Amino acid sequence: SQKIEQNSEALNIQEGKTATLTCNYTNYSPAYLQWYRQDPGRGPVFLLLIRENEKEKRKERLKVTFDTTLKQSLFHITASQPADSATYLCALPPASSASKIIFGSGTRLSIRP
Amino acid sequence: DTGVSQDPRHKITKRGQNVTFRCDPISEHNRLYWYRQTLGQGPEFLTYFQNEAQLEKSRLLSDRFSAERPKGSFSTLEIQRTEQGDSAMYLCASSLEGDRGKGEQFFGPGTRLTVL
Repeated sequence: SQKIEQNSEALNIQEGKTATLTCNYTNYSPAYLQWYRQDPGRGPVFLLLIRENEKEKRKERLKVTFDTTLKQSLFHITASQPADSATYLCALPPASSASKIIFGSGTRLSIRP
Repeated sequence: DTGVSQDPRHKITKRGQNVTFRCDPISEHNRLYWYRQTLGQGPEFLTYFQNEAQLEKSRLLSDRFSAERPKGSFSTLEIQRTEQGDSAMYLCASSLEGDRGKGEQFFGPGTRLTVL
């Protein structure tokens, strides 16, 4: 079955630095991969979608890469700010169904001033 | 507010009781999803609807769980004979699928269920 691995340990970054989060997946290669942000007690919020034929996608201070050979996506936040502190989830459609997505367990990011 | 709404936001119940949660999706969205999330984990897929049809249900979902979307608009998730292991955050999401959609899901704030 499809497995998604994200760093289970929290990531602590100094304000202004670039935060890099990793999402690794096993088995088949999905047609796309998504990243979401989740704050405590709230539902996830969609950030970015990257398709299998795209190597990189940017949105303001966010950058996502998608390496289908390594079966890995990297999520970067440049010039990080304390307001970026949250849990970041990657999600992708499983091989069994194109109509749903499965989530990784998320990486908690803390940006210290 | 035109986002996804869920009701109630919090529910405390005793073991063995039935509970029902409601989700109102974004009005033009044709897909509606239910997830369960426990502390330190990502959302776990439970079921989804395309309009009023329930197209997929997780094998992890026991017979005590049932969901409906009678008119293709709001949805309800019912848990019968609740168990302490059902304590979790129940999230609803909606999306617009097909050529008009980009694949992203819009989540509601969730209903936190505590079973005593």
